[in-house]
Order: sequence, then C-alpha cells, then structure tokens
Amino acid sequence: GAVVSQHPSWVICKSGTSVKIECRSLDFQATTMFWYRQFPKQSLMLMATSNEGSKATYEQGVEKDKFLINHASLTLSTLTVTSAHPEDSSFYICSALGTTGELFFGEGSRLTVL
Amino acid sequence: QQQVKQSPQSLIVQKGGISIINCAYENTAFDYFPWYQQFPGKGPALLIAIRPDVSEKKEGRFTISFNKSAKQFSLHIMDSQPGDSATYFCAASASGTYKYIFGTGTRLKVLA
Repeated sequence: GAVVSQHPSWVICKSGTSVKIECRSLDFQATTMFWYRQFPKQSLMLMATSNEGSKATYEQGVEKDKFLINHASLTLSTLTVTSAHPEDSSFYICSALGTTGELFFGEGSRLTVL
Repeated sequence: QQQVKQSPQSLIVQKGGISIINCAYENTAFDYFPWYQQFPGKGPALLIAIRPDVSEKKEGRFTISFNKSAKQFSLHIMDSQPGDSATYFCAASASGTYKYIFGTGTRLKVLA
C-alpha cells in the first residue's frame, strides 16, 4: 500500500504555544488529505478536509483559527495547533486519498499540552 | 443516515478461532466499504475493502461478507492469532465525496 508519513510522532509543548504536524505522501501525489482527531478508545473524528492549493474545509464544531491547515503541495499537508491548551491534547492522524479512492493513514502524532 | 453502526464493541477469541465483526449502514449512496486495523499508538492500516458489486472478498485469513439488501457487511478473521489483537474499524464512503464515515471500533483480543 501507499505510504503516508507523519511527523512528529509525539510532541510535548507548553500551554499557549503553537505546534505544527506534517503529513507527507511518500510515493504518490495526494490532492486530498484529511485530518482526524482520536480520543482514547474512541473512533476517528474528522476535523477537516485539506485540498491542495485551496482552503481546507472544516467539520462542524472544529475551530479553523485554532487548527490551521495548509496543503501547499501534492505531497504535504500541515496542521498547526495554535495557542495550544491542555484540552487540545490528543492523538492527531492524517490520511491521504490515493489515486483509486483508497484512504491511507499516517502513523499519528500524540500531542501533550502541559 | 450518515452513521455506520459497528458491533461488538469488544471481542475476545481463543487462538485459532474465528473473529466476526459486523457493521450496518443506512446511506444507499455508500459504495466502498473498507476495514482498518489499528494497533495502540499507531495510525489505522487498510486491511481489506469491498465494493457492492460482490458479496464476498477474501484476502488470506481476512474475509469481508457484504449483504447489499440488508445494508450490512462483516469482517471475518479466520484462525485468529494473538498478533491480530487490535482495534478494527469499518468505514463507508460514497463515490465523489471521498469522505469516510467510520464505525465506532471493535477491540479484539485473541488469547494465546
């Protein structure tokens, strides 16, 4: 299957700082990427759809000013958690849409805000 | 109508047994049904997927059974192994949207 790389795999930051998470499709070009948030023992919650060269589409209830998404190239999308607070601590997972419609996930990024 | 209902929430199976996880959907526009396997601290990995034009798809020990009229699909893991212990998610999507709707997940534990 296609490879999606996510970095960093874990990050600890102080409250009030911003954190950037990168998602790269390594062996294919992804026009569309998705960002999810997953709480312990729960399913994946779609946060936003990221389309290359255009603004991201956010799901209802997701603060677009808090979670900035940029998809500047066909292989890279970034999620920036701005002014992070402890309630933003979570497991963030990106995914990229393959050329045949399959969805491939990154390894996830564990964010802990102190 | 956008929901995908998954059951059971957790499942314990003896080594060598068959693990069965079920999902049901309501949106008849869904035409792609993948299953994902997720280990703790990792992202989900695509396991197997099916489209409505077939009723069954088998890949190794993993089989998807699909019942279009009942709007249900299930994952069967034959000869379950301790290494299969993970959380499994079913999902559904409709052509053109590519937005996946995920089930709530099933935590499978295979006893050695």
